[in-house]
Amino acid sequence: GAVVSQHPSWVICKSGTSVKIECRSLDFQATTMFWYRQFPKQSLMLMATSNEGSKATYEQGVEKDKFLINHASLTLSTLTVTSAHPEDSSFYICRASLVDTQYFGPGTRLTVL
Amino acid sequence: AQTVTQSQPEMSVQEAETVTLSCTYDTSESDYYLFWYKQPPSRQMILVIRQEAYKQQNATENRFSVNFQKAAKSFSLKISDSQLGDAAMYFCAYRSPYNTDKLIFGTGTRLQVFP
Repeated sequence: GAVVSQHPSWVICKSGTSVKIECRSLDFQATTMFWYRQFPKQSLMLMATSNEGSKATYEQGVEKDKFLINHASLTLSTLTVTSAHPEDSSFYICRASLVDTQYFGPGTRLTVL
Repeated sequence: AQTVTQSQPEMSVQEAETVTLSCTYDTSESDYYLFWYKQPPSRQMILVIRQEAYKQQNATENRFSVNFQKAAKSFSLKISDSQLGDAAMYFCAYRSPYNTDKLIFGTGTRLQVFP
């Protein structure tokens, strides 16, 4: 079946550094991918919609200059957290659609010290 | 705008018993999709069951079934013969057929299963 992977699965970084998270659709092409953020014991909040070959669409309140999204190919979307701060520590999940079915990545835990 | 509400932050059930998780939603659309997702400690989101609003018959997947009340905008999940592996966060979600990109999640219900 269709699989979505994320890399890395967890990352620890120092405050002020940038972190890149990759989301790959392993056996299908995804023209659209979605990035979510999940704080502990909370729901998934949509951050942005990543479209292959065009600019991402950000949800209200999400800083596009801080959370850079690039969807360079039909199988890869990246989320870069720029100048990360401790409040950016969270669990980041990507989602891809194939026809009428949604596939979630396993998530990336980001801890900013 | 559509909203999804899960009023039970936590639920517990004894192994082999039945538990029902509640979900209500608000929408002005007549056709849409509803989902229940499970998020175990691994954090991987797993689709449990889906329901198309135009279908009157309640969806069923093995031990999981839903009670879909369209007029009341209610979509509860019933887990029968609960197993220890059912312990997880459960999220109710709504998707519009007109904007298939958006998947709107409820706040989640943490289910504990006791032996």
